[in-house]
Parts: sequence; C-alpha cells; structure tokens
Amino acid sequence: AQSVTQLGSHVSVSEGALVLLRCNYSSSVPPYLFWYVQYPNQGLQLLLKYTSAATLVKGINGFEAEFKKSETSFHLTKPSAHMSDAAEYFCAVSGKTGGFKTIFGAGTRLFVKA
Amino acid sequence: SAVISQKPSRDICQRGTSLTIQCQVDSQVTMMFWYRQQPGQSLTLIATANQGSEATYESGFVIDKFPISRPNLTFSTLTVSNMSPEDSSIYLCSGTGTRALNEQFFGPGTRLTVL
Repeated sequence: AQSVTQLGSHVSVSEGALVLLRCNYSSSVPPYLFWYVQYPNQGLQLLLKYTSAATLVKGINGFEAEFKKSETSFHLTKPSAHMSDAAEYFCAVSGKTGGFKTIFGAGTRLFVKA
Repeated sequence: SAVISQKPSRDICQRGTSLTIQCQVDSQVTMMFWYRQQPGQSLTLIATANQGSEATYESGFVIDKFPISRPNLTFSTLTVSNMSPEDSSIYLCSGTGTRALNEQFFGPGTRLTVL
C-alpha cells in the first residue's frame, strides 16, 4: 500500500526565511508525488508534482521539491517565505498499484511571522 | 485540464436526513473519486466512483451510508445518508485525466454542516 508521512503538523518561519516542509513516502513501485496547498476556507490547489521525469520539480509561487529515492523523501522548499504562504500544505502519493487514487498526508500548517 | 464543479457548495442539514452532492466535469475523465475532509483534518478517500457499476469503497466507508452513482464519464453523485453531526465535513470530488492518470483534478468541495 502507498502512504505518505508529513513530519511536523505545524511549522513556523519568519518572513524571508527558508521554508522546509518534510514528506516521506512509502511505495513498492515508483510513485507519483504531489504537494497541494489549501488556504483557509478554500479548495485544494496543486503546487507541483513528480511523475518520474526530473527529480527537482519546480512549482508555482516559488516552491520546489526534490524527489530522493534513496531517502524516500519529497520535501517542499521555498527560499524566502512570504506572509501569503501561510496555509495548510498536503503531500500526496498516487500510482498504478493504488488504482491511481491519491492518498494524502496529514498536512502541515505553515505559519509565517512578520 | 479538467474543471470540476460541485453542487451544492454548502448546506446545513438536520440530523437523520440525506443530502446528495453532484459532481460535474467539463470533459471526460477516466476515474472519479470522492473524498471527505473533516474539520482540521486531511483528506480521506471515501470511494472510487465506477461508471455503470457499484463504487469501490475504502475501509470504514459503506454503500448504505455513502451511496455513489456514476452514470457517465463526466458526472457522479455522492449521497450522505441518515446524517449525524459527525458527518459535518467538506466533501470533494476529483477526477483523473484521460491523457495521464497521474493528473488529478479536484472540485471546490461541498461544505456540509449537520445540526
């Protein structure tokens, strides 16, 4: 079965600081990996996805994530946090073995301090 | 990319009643799914909506409580039956593209409050 684990339910950074949100996956076959963002009272928005092409994936709003097979990780980073980045972030995995259904991590709430 | 709409966007219901949520996609999608997001929680997959046949439910979800229909490639419904306050959640529909099954599109969600 596929699964993802997000380390840290809450992360707090100062404006302008590096954002690092951690995600580790479990999958018996090469997975598809995703990061989604959810702003308060809004729907899901896809930030970026890994689909076995380049291991460093660039997404919207300056976010990027690196697929590391040896570490089974897909951490999300952004060099400089903005106040507008405050939101809930979900790491997710899907793949053929799971019938292409997307399994979500528990989520990490990002707080950005002025 | 596919655009997914849901009706209603929100509703407040009395316990013991049922609500049917509609999901409409603007183009054909290969697979459709229904998720639940309880307050402050992540998304949990309820079931895979299969065209013309019974949905495939995840552990902890049953057809009697969450009957699902998918009569064609662009439309599905989820009914939340005999509701209780514990069913208060956001219910989201999603679909995978026909070109790439790894590309999943999500609807805006239906915010349900059960009193």
